[in-house]
Amino acid sequence: GQNIDQPTEMTATEGAIVQINCTYQTSGFNGLFWYQQHAGEAPTFLSYNVLDGLEEKGRFSSFLSRSKGYSYLLLKELQMKDSASYLCAVRDDKIIFGKGTRLHILP
Amino acid sequence: GAGVSQTPSNKVTEKGKYVELRCDPISGHTALYWYRQSLGQGPEFLIYFQGTGAADDSGLPNDRFFAVRPEGSVSTLKIQRTERGDSAVYLCASSLKGHNTGELFFGEGSRLTVL
Repeated sequence: GQNIDQPTEMTATEGAIVQINCTYQTSGFNGLFWYQQHAGEAPTFLSYNVLDGLEEKGRFSSFLSRSKGYSYLLLKELQMKDSASYLCAVRDDKIIFGKGTRLHILP
Repeated sequence: GAGVSQTPSNKVTEKGKYVELRCDPISGHTALYWYRQSLGQGPEFLIYFQGTGAADDSGLPNDRFFAVRPEGSVSTLKIQRTERGDSAVYLCASSLKGHNTGELFFGEGSRLTVL
C-alpha cells in the first residue's frame, strides 16, 4: 500500500521558522515533491528531492532521507502570505499526495 | 494561455445526471493527471495518462468514472449517474516526462456540486 503522513495543522509566528514533516511508505520511490496551496487556488510547486540531503531555495528548504522514508519542508522568516496548505507528494510511478498541512501565521 | 486550462470552472448538477469535465494541458506535456480534492484534504489520485493511454487508473472510485485522452492532448473526465458524494474540486495537472523534476503543473480546477 501507499501512505503519506503529515500533520493536519500548524501555527507559527511571523518572522519565525517552521518545519513541516512528512513520512511516507510507498511501494517504490522516484522523488518527493512539496507544493503550496492557498485557499481556493491550485497547488504550486515548491521543491523536489530525489537524493538524500537538503535542497535550499531562498526562504524554503526541503530535506529527504530515503532510508527513513522522511522529508521535511523548512520555511524561514515567515511572512503572512505563507499562510497556506503545504502538500507532500511522492512519485512511485504515479504521483500521490498527502492530506496536506494547514499552516497558520500569527502576526 | 500557456497554462493548464480546465472547463467548466463550476458545474452544478442534479443527482443522477451525467457530467463531463475537460482539461487542456500545457502544449507538449506527455503526462496528464486527474485528482479530486475535497475541502481540507489533499488531492486524491484518480487516473494518469502517458500519451493517449491510461498508465494507471487505480484511483477511479467506481465504474461511474471514466476518462479519455484520444489524441494525447486534451482529456475528458466523465462521471455517470452523479451522486452527492461526487461533489468536489476536480484538478487536472500535466508534466513533461523526462524533464528535470517532472513536476506537475495544475489547472485551476472544476468545482462540481451535485444537488
